[in-house]
Amino acid sequence: GAVVSQHPSRVICKSGTSVKIECRSLDFQATTMFWYRQFPKQSLMLMATSNEGSKATYEQGVEKDKFLINHASLTLSTLTVTSAHPEDSSFYICSARPPPGLPYNEQFFGPGTRLTVL
Amino acid sequence: AQKITQTQPGMFVQEKEAVTLDCTYDTSDQSYGLFWYKQPSSGEMIFLIYQGSYDEQNATEGRYSLNFQKARKSANLVISASQLGDSAMYFCAMTTGGADGLTFGKGTHLIIQP
Repeated sequence: GAVVSQHPSRVICKSGTSVKIECRSLDFQATTMFWYRQFPKQSLMLMATSNEGSKATYEQGVEKDKFLINHASLTLSTLTVTSAHPEDSSFYICSARPPPGLPYNEQFFGPGTRLTVL
Repeated sequence: AQKITQTQPGMFVQEKEAVTLDCTYDTSDQSYGLFWYKQPSSGEMIFLIYQGSYDEQNATEGRYSLNFQKARKSANLVISASQLGDSAMYFCAMTTGGADGLTFGKGTHLIIQP
């Protein structure tokens, strides 16, 4: 299957700082990427849909000014958690959807980024 | 809006036995996709199997099969001959339309016992 990478895998920061998480599709061009958040022992919740060259679409209840998403190229989407607070501590996972026509139906997930805000 | 329900928060199964993980879904869309993902303690999401709403045959991938009952809106995952390495969280998910993100169920924590 296709490969999606995320960087960093783990980050610890002080309250009030901003953290940028990168998501890259390594062997296909992804016009659409997705960002999910997973709190401990809970399910994944879709935060936003990232479309290359356009503004991200945020799910209800997700603050767009808090979670800045940029999809500057067909292989890279970034999520910036601005002015992070302890309640933002979570596991952030991105996924990429292959373009139509490929024999894949699934979204390919990155390995995730564990954010801890002190 | 779509919804996924997984009613088994945890399951204990003896090694080599078959196991069925339940999943029911709700959507008003006629076209949708159903997925099962495995998440070990490392956190990575491992794709297991996919079933499209118009697929007439149940999907199979090695030891995994999806028991798709459209009228009942269920998409149960069957793992044959379970192995210790199958111990993990299992999530059922769905997507509707061509660009929607996945809606996940709450997951089932499967523990395979020797």
